Amino acid sequence: AQSVAQPEDQVNVAEGNPLTVKCTYSVSGNPYLFWYVQYPNRGLQFLLKYITGDNLVKGSYGFEAEFNKSQTSFHLKKPSALVSDSALYFCAVRLYSSASKIIFGSGTRLSIRP
Amino acid sequence: NAGVTQTPKFRVLKTGQSMTLLCAQDMNHEYMYWYRQDPGMGLRLIHYSVGEGTTAKGEVPDGYNVSRLKKQNFLLGLESAAPSQTSVYFCASSYGGRVSYGYTFGSGTRLTVV
Repeated sequence: AQSVAQPEDQVNVAEGNPLTVKCTYSVSGNPYLFWYVQYPNRGLQFLLKYITGDNLVKGSYGFEAEFNKSQTSFHLKKPSALVSDSALYFCAVRLYSSASKIIFGSGTRLSIRP
Repeated sequence: NAGVTQTPKFRVLKTGQSMTLLCAQDMNHEYMYWYRQDPGMGLRLIHYSVGEGTTAKGEVPDGYNVSRLKKQNFLLGLESAAPSQTSVYFCASSYGGRVSYGYTFGSGTRLTVV
């Protein structure tokens, strides 16, 4: 079965420190991987995606993600966290099928303390 | 450019009542999706549509019906609401067949069934 896992329900980081939000996936074929962010009472917003090419992908708000094929991981990173980064983050994989559906992980709540 | 618009934003229903959630997109996207978001479970696909006049079941379709009479609109119906359908509902759309694209999400509908 194709799936996405986010092993941490919550990640707590002090402002100014680096942050990592973990994601692993299990799909057949080449994965198309995404990160979305959800702020309170809002819909999901696109952060970044990996389709092919360079394993380090840069996205919005200073975030980046590293694709690791051997470890089937796509961790989200940022060198220096901001309090405004506090939100719910979803990793997702898009399936190459007739409907091109996206499967979402369960989400990781990122909390940045001042 | 409004993107994806969901109405209503909030609704409280009594058990057994019916209602329709409307999703409208102005990006000429082929594919549209309805998800529900529950704590700790991420987003689960209810129904989706790959074009005008077509619909298909997702992961959790029971108790819901959908229609796509116009390309820009995707309606989600609850014929007889149950407390288990208390959730936040998100509509999303994407370009058809282009798996390198992610989704554009609406801001959500918070539904409470009492």
